[in-house]
Amino acid sequence: KQEVTQIPAALSVPEGENLVLNCSFTDSAIYNLQWFRQDPGKGLTSLLLIQSSQREQTSGRLNASLDKSSGRSTLYIAASQPGDSATYLCAGSHNNAGNMLTFGGGTRLMVKP
Amino acid sequence: EPEVTQTPSHQVTQMGQEVILRCVPISNHLYFYWYRQILGQKVEFLVSFYNNEISEKSEIFDDQFSVERPDGSNFTLKIRSTKLEDSAMYFCASSERNTGANVLTFGAGSRLTVL
Repeated sequence: KQEVTQIPAALSVPEGENLVLNCSFTDSAIYNLQWFRQDPGKGLTSLLLIQSSQREQTSGRLNASLDKSSGRSTLYIAASQPGDSATYLCAGSHNNAGNMLTFGGGTRLMVKP
Repeated sequence: EPEVTQTPSHQVTQMGQEVILRCVPISNHLYFYWYRQILGQKVEFLVSFYNNEISEKSEIFDDQFSVERPDGSNFTLKIRSTKLEDSAMYFCASSERNTGANVLTFGAGSRLTVL
């Protein structure tokens, strides 16, 4: 059974810092890996999706990488801003439909002005 | 931007009562899902639905749960006889496809409190 772990559980950084959020998964037979953002009282917003054949994806200041052999994904946020404050969740799919996502516990990020 | 809409945003019910949570997926999406998040715990998959049938379901999705697409726009999750442990945030999601780059769009969630 796939287990997804995120470290750290919480992170507080000053504005402008580059930061890395980590996600690890136990089953390397992963089909894709998604990163989501969750704001309090709101749903999950998909940030990036990396398919199993890909190594990384980029969107603006965000870059996500996937290393299936080591069971790891990282989300890199460049030049962090207070508006980036949220909980970041990674989720892996273990079927090729990509719909049964196994989520990590999230990293709660606070970017201080 | 198209969004998934969920109602109610918060429902309080007594143990043993039936609850129906409603979702309006994105109009051109064909695949629908329910996930839940118990307070302080991880988001968990419940069920996926396509072509008026359940495609996949987790062990959480027992006989107390059912899903339905009663018309062309709504997708519902019914809990027949709620238990205290059903208290959670329930998220509906939809997607255009179910292969490859399958990006799920989630709704804001329905918070269910069972007393």
